[in-house]
Amino acid sequence: EAEVAQSPRYKITEKSQAVAFWCDPISGHATLYWYRQILGQGPELLVQFQDESVVDDSQLPKDRFSAERLKGVDSTLKIQPAELGDSAMYLCASSKQGTHTDTQYFGPGTRLTVL
Amino acid sequence: KNEVEQSPQNLTAQEGEFITINCSYSVGISALHWLQQHPGGGIVSLFMLSSGKKKHGRLIATINIQEKHSSLHITASHPRDSAVYICAVPNMDSNYQLIWGAGTKLIIKP
Repeated sequence: EAEVAQSPRYKITEKSQAVAFWCDPISGHATLYWYRQILGQGPELLVQFQDESVVDDSQLPKDRFSAERLKGVDSTLKIQPAELGDSAMYLCASSKQGTHTDTQYFGPGTRLTVL
Repeated sequence: KNEVEQSPQNLTAQEGEFITINCSYSVGISALHWLQQHPGGGIVSLFMLSSGKKKHGRLIATINIQEKHSSLHITASHPRDSAVYICAVPNMDSNYQLIWGAGTKLIIKP
């Protein structure tokens, strides 16, 4: 069964360093989501792509976060510089077209610890 | 008031018990999703409902659109069912982005 791939699974970094996360969605899925989940809370949407275009990045802290999906397939989320408060699980998900009945398929996540 | 509310917040039960988790929502919806998150982070979609009832193995999900309420039931619960169960609805005013409930943490004791 096709899965959403994410790497790395774990990342430890020091504050002020740059970090990057990668996501490869299920083949053929046009919609890609990046979420941030702080321990004990629900996922918070950071950015939504439809193919290579950003649909919504209103919750993305653009002073330090950037996301791209250049060819409309895989995607990278970058944080520069990382802050202590960025420690969280970063989840990527994809769906066929992002409609109300589409199922979102989640990757295993990247757990970021900022020291 | 949150747009999607779940109850209970925490639930501990013995193996074999019948489990019910409730979800109420205040927004107009066209579909409702139930998801499961195990310790360690992975999220799995269990059901997408727009009406009636769906069953998959020991899991049953129901929705009452008029009452704006959905339930997730687990029959013959097992310790491996221990997880956080989350109800989410697509926001029809915002690209169908999911509005997430706070989750129900379920622990099944052997």
